[in-house]
Amino acid sequence: SQQGEEDPQALSIQEGENATMNCSYKTSINNLQWYRQNSGRGLVHLILIRSNEREKHSGRLRVTLDTSKKSSSLLITASRAADTASYFCPPSGGYQKVTFGIGTKLQVIP
Amino acid sequence: KAGVTQTPRYLIKTRGQQVTLSCSPISGHRSVSWYQQTPGQGLQFLFEYFSETQRNKGNFPGRFSGRQFSNSRSEMNVSTLELGDSALYLCASSLQSSANEQFFGPGTRLTVL
Repeated sequence: SQQGEEDPQALSIQEGENATMNCSYKTSINNLQWYRQNSGRGLVHLILIRSNEREKHSGRLRVTLDTSKKSSSLLITASRAADTASYFCPPSGGYQKVTFGIGTKLQVIP
Repeated sequence: KAGVTQTPRYLIKTRGQQVTLSCSPISGHRSVSWYQQTPGQGLQFLFEYFSETQRNKGNFPGRFSGRQFSNSRSEMNVSTLELGDSALYLCASSLQSSANEQFFGPGTRLTVL
């Protein structure tokens, strides 16, 4: 198994700004997922991007995947206070166990 | 559709005791995974079950065990509790595999005194 390494570890922005966080991994993958965890709603799945996809959108979220660089990024546009949370990017391949990294702690200041 | 439920939500035990936590997955989901979350170690994978079989196991001692029943409900057991087992235990279910979208329960907060 492998885990994604999120970067930066912490990020603080003003409400309305965009937030970008990055993810790197080490071996080949089938897909990569992004999750968010906050105290109110627990751990929630945001988006899954497959290895043959380069970009995916969901509402204010945009995820990119570069398999040649073994990296992914999550962009949150027009951030809101409710986006304050920790974000994780576990990669996965087949039926290997899915492990989570330390995450990026995002704080959106109203 | 009901979400993933975990019982109990809070638990206080003393060192040396054992504990059993329960997880009911979303209806139709056959994969159930367990995670331990602590401030120091983050979110660590314990095990994954699919169709009553353990598919994957994390790096935890044998005191940690689990099982899955024919209705996909799962239990995990921790024997001979240690202070370091104090954590939030999260259960997640998915249709076929944790490699796809997982739905997490609210967790069981275990405190070992």
